[in-house]
Amino acid sequence: NAGVTQTPKFQVLKTGQSMTLQCAQDMNHEYMSWYRQDPGMGLRLIHYSVGAGITDQGEVPNGYNVSRSTTEDFPLRLLSAAPSQTSVYFCASSYSGSTGETQYFGPGTRLLVL
Amino acid sequence: GENVEQHPSTLSVQEGDSAVIKCTYSDSASNYFPWYKQELGKRPQLIIDIRSNVGEKKDQRIAVTLNKTAKHFSLHITETQPEDSAVYFCAAISGGSNYKLTFGKGTLLTVNP
Repeated sequence: NAGVTQTPKFQVLKTGQSMTLQCAQDMNHEYMSWYRQDPGMGLRLIHYSVGAGITDQGEVPNGYNVSRSTTEDFPLRLLSAAPSQTSVYFCASSYSGSTGETQYFGPGTRLLVL
Repeated sequence: GENVEQHPSTLSVQEGDSAVIKCTYSDSASNYFPWYKQELGKRPQLIIDIRSNVGEKKDQRIAVTLNKTAKHFSLHITETQPEDSAVYFCAAISGGSNYKLTFGKGTLLTVNP
């Protein structure tokens, strides 16, 4: 199993550009989520999904869109990048999202918005 | 929603000493409390967790304690080693939802040889 994979590893964008951060898992996990990590802020939940076709907002959803058309993939879209979106983005997954289940994190995508 | 406070933000210890990191949470309905370790440039990885029906859990040199009445939980690392140096995050499952982990802001632990 590759586990949770993310692409790209690093990306530089100009303000106003759009892009999609890719996340995939091969563990047949129903629950997937996106976090952003900023210095001194911990990990903050952006969006999450409890299964294909079902998504919901987390703590900091503004400026981001998600969709979940398959169990394996959960892309995060930035429609119009802003410097405030400069961060490290982590995707995570777990079997069903129930209490007590381990969330497995991907390796992260480092995004710089100029 | 849930709010998790973590202290201290930085902690420096000598090799062999113990380290304690404390977290408090606000939602009395929260029932699951994992701890993650993140090495520089790496992804967070679960090191230990505890559920609300348990007061303490140990795994070799690592232990976690939970005080539901006071709404706080702590990570204890004994006989620290240089490889324990990392950022540690506590987290709590938000009350009323099994899907939202709220993280503390992290503790940078440095173990000096």
